Amino acid sequence: DTEVTQTPKHLVMGMTNKKSLKCEQHMGHRAMYWYKQKAKKPPELMFVYSYEKLSINESVPSRFSPECPNSSLLNLHLHALQPEDSALYLCASSQDQLNTGELFFGEGSRLTVL
Amino acid sequence: GQNIDQPTEMTATEGAIVQINCTYQTSGFNGLFWYQQHAGEAPTFLSYNVLDGLEEKGRFSSFLSRSKGYSYLLLKELQMKDSASYLCAVRELKTDKLIFGTGTRLQVFP
Repeated sequence: DTEVTQTPKHLVMGMTNKKSLKCEQHMGHRAMYWYKQKAKKPPELMFVYSYEKLSINESVPSRFSPECPNSSLLNLHLHALQPEDSALYLCASSQDQLNTGELFFGEGSRLTVL
Repeated sequence: GQNIDQPTEMTATEGAIVQINCTYQTSGFNGLFWYQQHAGEAPTFLSYNVLDGLEEKGRFSSFLSRSKGYSYLLLKELQMKDSASYLCAVRELKTDKLIFGTGTRLQVFP
């Protein structure tokens, strides 16, 4: 299994809603990532978890809250988002943080904030 | 910080060869990667260079010159399915973060 699975594929939410994006991998990878990608732009790193601990937070606003319940799962909790947060949210994993080159990406969750 | 530049768009003909360039400026370099991303899909890993020279993988090759801060991705025998965005990414030495360039959208015509 070389897949990173993300759910939901599409999400529409209001600015007062609370929702979560989920990501799962069963490759035994110990590093997991959240990236944000706007249309026609490259992915931008948001968070990195290494061995289930948050190792990098790229100064992301607190309305985005990551969580890594175990080595296979990564969540991104969303609350009080703004319309400009609408984007494709990509989850990725790698063997460990020192192997960040070979990232395996999920298909992404396309988020629309109304 | 990192500054990674690529051409925004390129076009080529089926069966031809195309070279996508990437230049970077970095305070610390620990490898350069190329990813392919089809519209609406996830990026997929293509190649990795950490030493100077050419890495060949089937129809795709990637070249790196660290002294010039320069890399290219060479695609041979282009196929229609090669129409995609190609992302150059640099790994920072201190943090091991992977920083993506702006991406090059390649369109292959029959």
